[in-house]
Amino acid sequence: NAGVTQTPKFRILKIGQSMTLQCTQDMNHNYMYWYRQDPGMGLKLIYYSVGAGITDKGEVPNGYNVSRSTTEDFPLRLELAAPSQTSVYFCASCPLAGMREQYFGPGTRLTVT
Amino acid sequence: AQKVTQAQTEISVVEKEDVTLDCVYETRDTTYYLFWYKQPPSGELVFLIRRNSFDEQNEISGRYSWNFQKSTSSFNFTITASQVVDSAVYFCALNSRQTGANNLFFGTGTRLTVIP
Repeated sequence: NAGVTQTPKFRILKIGQSMTLQCTQDMNHNYMYWYRQDPGMGLKLIYYSVGAGITDKGEVPNGYNVSRSTTEDFPLRLELAAPSQTSVYFCASCPLAGMREQYFGPGTRLTVT
Repeated sequence: AQKVTQAQTEISVVEKEDVTLDCVYETRDTTYYLFWYKQPPSGELVFLIRRNSFDEQNEISGRYSWNFQKSTSSFNFTITASQVVDSAVYFCALNSRQTGANNLFFGTGTRLTVIP
């Protein structure tokens, strides 16, 4: 199993550009999450999904959108990138059973200039 | 409200010393889980342990041990005989029904540097 994979690993965007961060898991997990990690901080939840077709906002959703058309994929879309979105983005997944450990992808380092 | 406090921002120890990383949490829920994750310089997040609120037994895994005390809302992590490979940022995290999404609520992390 590859676990949780994310692409790209690094990206530099200009202000106002858009991009999609890809996340795929092969563990058949229902729960998937997007977090961002700012320098010196813990991770904060952007969006999450409890299954295909179901998504909801987390703590810091502004400026982002998500979709979940399949169990495996959970892309994160940035529209009109801003410098405040410079961060490291982590995708994670978790089995249906509640409060289990989450499995994280390797992260995407995004810089908006 | 959920809160996880890791008051130690950075710790440096000399190799082979023992070190304890502190974690204090807040939640109104009676059912919750606590986690520790390691983030080495390569950046990925590595799961270390999960502990539920009904199990206060301490746990030992090799050089790692965890002390969970509900009376003080703490879930501290001790590394015995530290090694250079232990250098990383360590995150404590909380998951309870209050979070709704089953997501993790993270502390700000403790950066551990083990000096050879």
